Amino acid sequence: EAQVTQNPRYLITVTGKKLTVTCSQNMNHEYMSWYRQDPGLGLRQIYYSMNVEVTDKGDVPEGYKVSRKEKRNFPLILESPSPNQTSLYFCASSLQGFGNQPQHFGDGTRLSIL
Amino acid sequence: GIQVEQSPPDLILQEGANSTLRCNFSDSVNNLQWFHQNPWGQLINLFYIPSGTKQNGRLSATTVATERYSLLYISSSQTTDSGVYFCAVVAWESSGDKLTFGTGTRLAVRP
Repeated sequence: EAQVTQNPRYLITVTGKKLTVTCSQNMNHEYMSWYRQDPGLGLRQIYYSMNVEVTDKGDVPEGYKVSRKEKRNFPLILESPSPNQTSLYFCASSLQGFGNQPQHFGDGTRLSIL
Repeated sequence: GIQVEQSPPDLILQEGANSTLRCNFSDSVNNLQWFHQNPWGQLINLFYIPSGTKQNGRLSATTVATERYSLLYISSSQTTDSGVYFCAVVAWESSGDKLTFGTGTRLAVRP
């Protein structure tokens, strides 16, 4: 089954404790991205990747890191999480960029930073 | 950047009623998608519709790109239609294509 898989689905942690949210897709998509969703603000892009070893900042990259060592994986790293990073996070992928391709989303990861 | 506005922000329907959700965008777009976010937070792809009209069961969508809007029609609504509906548009910017979401329409369907 074609899908985007995120882990964990839920995480409660404390300020300053490094964490990684994994994202994996099995559709051989080149384009992957991370979003955060906050009440009243919709979804905002954090980082995106056009292909392996190619990443770029989205609208709200501060406090986050990403890497794209393999085509299928695009982990989101919070080196020193803070309470303002409490949010619902989504990973997405598409075959080749956004232009004429639908986006496929994972099921989301709820992060709570205390 | 492009602005995406959805209306209404909130909508309450009685089961069986019809509704129309609107998405306006401020500039030319390369494509547009409609999503349904269910009560568990999952984003479900409804339509990929840069222009024209598509139908899928009780749902249909129309995008008029030249007038910068899209409509999502829900007919004979069911309680399982409850959740938040987002439109997302792709517009070209100097840094490349960018996907921008609207802030959503929250729909509650009462039995």
